[in-house]
Amino acid sequence: NAGVTQTPKFRILKIGQSMTLQCAQDMNHNYMYWYRQDPGMGLKLIYYSVGAGITDKGEVPNGYNVSRSTTEDFPLRLELAAPSQTSVYFCASSTDRGGGYTEAFFGQGTRLTVV
Amino acid sequence: KQEVTQIPAALSVPEGENLVLNCSFTDSAIYNLQWFRQDPGKGLTSLLLIQSSQREQTSGRLNASLDKSSGRSTLYIAASQPGDSATYLCAVPSGNTPLVFGKGTRLSVIA
Repeated sequence: NAGVTQTPKFRILKIGQSMTLQCAQDMNHNYMYWYRQDPGMGLKLIYYSVGAGITDKGEVPNGYNVSRSTTEDFPLRLELAAPSQTSVYFCASSTDRGGGYTEAFFGQGTRLTVV
Repeated sequence: KQEVTQIPAALSVPEGENLVLNCSFTDSAIYNLQWFRQDPGKGLTSLLLIQSSQREQTSGRLNASLDKSSGRSTLYIAASQPGDSATYLCAVPSGNTPLVFGKGTRLSVIA
């Protein structure tokens, strides 16, 4: 049971570089999310998607982009890395059974450092 | 805008104690409430999900209650063990907004 898989687990970027954080789920969930977690700040929603081809901004979308071409994958793109993007990034997924959001499952996270 | 608060921010207890973690939210129009556990450097593990129509949910030594009208949930941990040491997070979706998280309670159970 793979669940939600994130790659890479760790990455160091130089300021101005770009990268894509990968996220894949094998539970056929239609909802997927990206959060960042900073010490003492809790988890903040970056972007989310309610299905293939549909994405929406969360609380802290600036500096990031997403796409959702398939149900399984939801990559997060950093175009011009900045030190403020040093964080731990979590991808999650859930489904909607007609009663709103159901139980969410999280990946193990990607620890990103921008220097 | 939904806001979630968890009290206390940190808690240290001796092994064997029963304890209660608190979670409050400002917008009572929620679908459900989810409690997570996070170990240092790890991802989030779902512990319990309470639907908005439910009052409580149990899993082993864990019991979560929900009072939607007052905007509160509690997570009760019975007979705590050192292995329970972790950060506990609560989160609620509401309206079109996915999970909004509290900042968590960091629990230490001392042997």
